[in-house]
Amino acid sequence: GAGVSQSPSNKVTEKGKDVELRCDPISGHTALYWYRQSLGQGLEFLIYFQGNSAPDKSGLPSDRFSAERTGGSVSTLTIQRTQQEDSAVYLCASRGTGTGVGYTFGSGTRLTVV
Amino acid sequence: EDQVTQSPEALRLQEGESSSLNCSYTVSGLRGLFWYRQDPGKGPEFLFTLYSAGEEKEKERLKATLTKKESFLHITAPKPEDSATYLCAVGNTGFQKLVFGTGTRLLVSP
Repeated sequence: GAGVSQSPSNKVTEKGKDVELRCDPISGHTALYWYRQSLGQGLEFLIYFQGNSAPDKSGLPSDRFSAERTGGSVSTLTIQRTQQEDSAVYLCASRGTGTGVGYTFGSGTRLTVV
Repeated sequence: EDQVTQSPEALRLQEGESSSLNCSYTVSGLRGLFWYRQDPGKGPEFLFTLYSAGEEKEKERLKATLTKKESFLHITAPKPEDSATYLCAVGNTGFQKLVFGTGTRLLVSP
């Protein structure tokens, strides 16, 4: 597609439920990133996928968070047993080749845990 | 640890009133400094990448500059449509991730 697509755009879930957030990157972009943006906070790195390499999971805040990327394209971020502190906007970005190329972000999924 | 600090947190300007936003950084081996614009309810939109001290880039009313310790985003004769949050980020080796500042919220009044 022309841009990075994320779904759903908004998600309200009850505390303790599992949620799945989806990201469809720009076709041909090998690098894919998940960030979290909380109110008043900067963007917090979560996880990075590059081609077929093992993902960099160093930003995942707990073992309740996991992500996968199937076929080098679509990615799913899963949060198990959601907590209120998980409420945030979850942003996905992809990047093409070239060192000067900035990330292209999706519009994000606003997650609210009640 | 890589760090990015942006100032001011918020800035209110009158239309046509030029100003600058600051981004100071500490990073082990800068591989690029990025500026983004973010409108409410949307993801950040890429503006510029700067690589080395002395480099400058321009786009419409925006000009970004870089020194060894900080970057400035100069806004010349801003218009209300320039109102947004401006984010600064630094890239590490391999661009495996960007470290972002918390942004400057700019409001330009007509």
